[in-house]
Amino acid sequence: GQQLNQSPQSMFIQEGEDVSMNCTSSSIFNTWLWYKQDPGEGPVLLIALYKAGELTSNGRLTAQFGITRKDSFLNISASIPSDVGIYFCAGQPSPGQAGTALIFGKGTTLSVSS
Amino acid sequence: DSGVTQTPKHLITATGQRVTLRCSPRSGDLSVYWYQQSLDQGLQFLIQYYNGEERAKGNILERFSAQQFPDLHSELNLSSLELGDSALYFCASSASGGVNNEQFFGPGTRLTVL
Repeated sequence: GQQLNQSPQSMFIQEGEDVSMNCTSSSIFNTWLWYKQDPGEGPVLLIALYKAGELTSNGRLTAQFGITRKDSFLNISASIPSDVGIYFCAGQPSPGQAGTALIFGKGTTLSVSS
Repeated sequence: DSGVTQTPKHLITATGQRVTLRCSPRSGDLSVYWYQQSLDQGLQFLIQYYNGEERAKGNILERFSAQQFPDLHSELNLSSLELGDSALYFCASSASGGVNNEQFFGPGTRLTVL
């Protein structure tokens, strides 16, 4: 089945630093979504991308939908302690057997020291 | 708060038992998705409903079933429970269930099978 490769698996940074993480796929996606999950909570939608090449910002977060439609990245600028959590990329392939379900990456665990 | 509600928050039961997880989608959303999150498998799609009808199936075991009611709330039924069914179960909703549709996740139900 389709898989998403998300990297890095974990990051340890200082407060104020910028962060970058990315996801790649072996197949084309129609939509890329980025979520953040805190322990014991549900994933919270951060950014949604719908067009190849699209660059979208949400405060200090910026994400891009790759031109090939097989990758996406998320940048966080000037990190703060509340950025700590697990960040997931999710892709929505063309509708098929799995309908419009999302395929998730394994997550990037972000730790921020002040 | 995503607007998606799930009950119960925690569920502890024994092997061989049956449980029901409940989800209410965001107001106006017609589609409900169920996902399972475990440490080794990550977030995996189980099943999708749209306006009361099953739309797509993922890696859902035959021991698991779901339905969406006329008021659009959904229930996930897990039977003959095994230790390996212990996981976080999330419900997500989207407006139409089509492509380019953002999915919003509930807080999840943590199932522990002893």
